[in-house]
Amino acid sequence: GQNIDQPTEMTATEGAIVQINCTYQTSGFNGLFWYQQHAGEAPTFLSYNVLDGLEEKGRFSSFLSRSKGYSYLLLKELQMKDSASYLCAVLDSNYQLIWGAGTKLIIKP
Amino acid sequence: GAVVSQHPSRVICKSGTSVKIECRSLDFQATTMFWYRQFPKQSLMLMATSNEGSKATYEQGVEKDKFLINHASLTLSTLTVTSAHPEDSSFYICSARGDRENQPQHFGDGTRLSIL
Repeated sequence: GQNIDQPTEMTATEGAIVQINCTYQTSGFNGLFWYQQHAGEAPTFLSYNVLDGLEEKGRFSSFLSRSKGYSYLLLKELQMKDSASYLCAVLDSNYQLIWGAGTKLIIKP
Repeated sequence: GAVVSQHPSRVICKSGTSVKIECRSLDFQATTMFWYRQFPKQSLMLMATSNEGSKATYEQGVEKDKFLINHASLTLSTLTVTSAHPEDSSFYICSARGDRENQPQHFGDGTRLSIL
């Protein structure tokens, strides 16, 4: 079966750095997405990785290792507005998007 | 950036009513649109995928006669919840994607449907 694992919940302090991990087992791989979803709102696109390595975009970076079936989202200089759920999603060999359950990130002052 | 508009944002209606939700891509041509459902504190659940001009592909367990999807143009898809009942109350979210399958999906703001 296809499976995406990410922690259910994480807590971090304002101004700090947090890393949200995602591991996947899918039938094929055509890229991995990270989305941010605030409570009661729709997801917004953060990043797309298809090659190994780190992609940096402002305070957010996303890393991919295809051989390990592993990705992480790194958030720096955390702000209170970063409190949200972070969804990992993988495009499989049929270009079907397989969604993780999301990681709820709680930022404390 | 890509903008997707979804209306209405909230609907409250009586049991037995049919409800139509619109999803529009405002600044790009959406070859494919997706309809999701999300219950509180749960992950997104894909209901169906629609390509412009063709019939929607429904996920297992989703009744196509209950959830009617029309994707008549490259900028508009509609979801109609027919004869809605309280168990259909949920957060419905559409997303749209361009013609390349590895492009990101861009989401509308969602519709919160409450059936009394």
